[in-house]
Amino acid sequence: DTAVSQTPKYLVTQMGNDKSIKCEQNLGHDTMYWYKQDSKKFLKIMFSYNNKELIINETVPNRFSPKSPDKAHLNLHINSLELGDSAVYFCASSQDGGGPRGYTFGSGTRLTVV
Amino acid sequence: DAKTTQPNSMESNEEEPVHLPCNHSTISGTDYIHWYRQLPSQGPEYVIHGLTSNVNNRMASLAIAEDRKSSTLILHRATLRDAAVYYCILREETSGSRLTFGEGTQLTVNP
Repeated sequence: DTAVSQTPKYLVTQMGNDKSIKCEQNLGHDTMYWYKQDSKKFLKIMFSYNNKELIINETVPNRFSPKSPDKAHLNLHINSLELGDSAVYFCASSQDGGGPRGYTFGSGTRLTVV
Repeated sequence: DAKTTQPNSMESNEEEPVHLPCNHSTISGTDYIHWYRQLPSQGPEYVIHGLTSNVNNRMASLAIAEDRKSSTLILHRATLRDAAVYYCILREETSGSRLTFGEGTQLTVNP
């Protein structure tokens, strides 16, 4: 069973559109994250939720809005997509404080804005 | 977040041991040393972490210097599947603490 699953795996869309990426974890973790990996391969944290509460909100445009309906799900909605939003987005989860296995990452969503 | 320094790239031969170094001279007493790796087209994967003592698991060993200012990830027998970017990360084991990735070391394994 996949521990952290993201959908879709690939997303190609036009500038100005609104899109969502979904993430689900079945590990029973209480903290979930969104990371962005750009074309230079730098991985940067965007958001973190602990038990449905936002605890990390990095300097990310307001067009990005995370939503956590429950502690097993963290979705990312992006409004008015721009070319610079093209990247791979990774969802991750962990038990608060890290835990023995650290973070578990999903396989990523490759977003291409044309 | 305290900074780590790793070589940009390293090469190894298959079935030989690999020692991946990491310097973290500004590490604080509450920072744990984490290692993750990212295989091509995959998300990062947890490898190992430790605080002061050396650690072993099924994937690798972590050797931590006595002064904790450096550490080494040891892959005992490299395989082609170990080719990846390896990240050394310092993280406080406190609520809300984040995992901050640097540039990592690109490991190439030659057959």
